[in-house]
Amino acid sequence: DTEVTQTPKHLVMGMTNKKSLKCEQHMGHRAMYWYKQKAKKPPELMFVYSYEKLSINESVPSRFSPECPNSSLLNLHLHALQPEDSALYLCASSQGTSGADYTDTQYFGPGTRLTVL
Amino acid sequence: QKEVEQNSGPLSVPEGAIASLNCTYSDRGSQSFFWYRQYSGKSPELIMSIYSNGDKEDGRFTAQLNKASQYVSLLIRDSQPSDSATYLCAVPNSGYSTLTFGKGTMLLVSP
Repeated sequence: DTEVTQTPKHLVMGMTNKKSLKCEQHMGHRAMYWYKQKAKKPPELMFVYSYEKLSINESVPSRFSPECPNSSLLNLHLHALQPEDSALYLCASSQGTSGADYTDTQYFGPGTRLTVL
Repeated sequence: QKEVEQNSGPLSVPEGAIASLNCTYSDRGSQSFFWYRQYSGKSPELIMSIYSNGDKEDGRFTAQLNKASQYVSLLIRDSQPSDSATYLCAVPNSGYSTLTFGKGTMLLVSP
């Protein structure tokens, strides 16, 4: 089973709202990722959690706040977003055995389509 | 940061033909390569991974890796309209569990 789930599927929010995106996996993976994807562009890495600790933040604005409550869950808290933040937000997970294991494979969830008005 | 190059396309092929998608990469030390398929508005789906020089076959899909020339390709035999999608080539970054993606090649299979 290589399933990563994400909720909600769609989200519309105003610039003053606070909302959260959720991601869950039950594959025993120890690395989880948030990506942002705009139309006709490849996924753009935002954050990486390894063993429930934030290991990479790709200089993402503070209006995006990640959280990893446990090894299966990953949240992305959103506050005071801008219309240009509208995108498909993807969660992914992998075994996370470090870069020395070049077979580490990422599996993506279905994504959340976010629209900021 | 390594570079991964793909022709953005679209690559148009008739139904039943072989579609050939190519990817070149800059880091000679790269050891693994992933092909993801992404339908419009959907998330990337892993379809192939390859680690060794040569060919790897899985159903209608064949991945080919040539490390000396630093390219990896994906062949889709007997292409179907349902294969119409964007195909992303991805290469891991050394020392990290992160990927560098190519910009993707859009494939259009016409009935």
